[in-house]
Amino acid sequence: EIVLTQSPGTLSSSPGERATLSCRASQSVISTFLAWYQQKPGQAPRLLIYGASTRAAGIPDRFSGSGSGTDFTLTISSLEPEDFAVYYCQQHGSSSWTFGRGTKVEI
Amino acid sequence: QLQLQESGPGLVKPSETLSLTCTVSGGSISSSGYYWGWIRQPPGKGLEWIASIYYSGSTYYNPSLKSRVSISGDPSKNQFSLKMSSVTAADTAVYYCARHWVGAMDNWGQGTRVTVSS
Repeated sequence: EIVLTQSPGTLSSSPGERATLSCRASQSVISTFLAWYQQKPGQAPRLLIYGASTRAAGIPDRFSGSGSGTDFTLTISSLEPEDFAVYYCQQHGSSSWTFGRGTKVEI
Repeated sequence: QLQLQESGPGLVKPSETLSLTCTVSGGSISSSGYYWGWIRQPPGKGLEWIASIYYSGSTYYNPSLKSRVSISGDPSKNQFSLKMSSVTAADTAVYYCARHWVGAMDNWGQGTRVTVSS
């Protein structure tokens, strides 16, 4: 089973700053099968990025994804107040899906 | 617009079987190429994929839960269901249903909270 390790666990930042979130896989992941989600308290996760770098419908362009192999990155170019949330990466492989433990972006 | 809605008991006794249903509207669980899955989130913790069923009826399970879990679909009702046996307090969580394809989960239900307690 592929394990996804997200870092940092918590990112303290301010509105307007750039945020860089990392997702490292224990084995190589097919980029097509790497996604990022945002979750706010009391809400279901929302798909942000799929295929490692493609924004989902309605996602602002301040969100971008990059990476390949075992190292993937979610970048928020300029944090807005509504971006403070928990972010998860997820992969598919060997007929299963796994999530990372999440990165909390806090003020 | 696709909508998913989880339903089931909010309280289950230890050792019993948890049963949840996801009702889909605005789309069909028989739609080619899509999976329909269950994901859970224990209080204060991260997301864990439990199981998925493909539009064709093929099923997929988290290896760590496979011995206790069963997923099924009912196209006539446009629903899919999860059964988890021998539950313990560790199964207390918010359970989400979601539509997905191989690469990502793009539509989620609002989640249903399940507590395992006597």
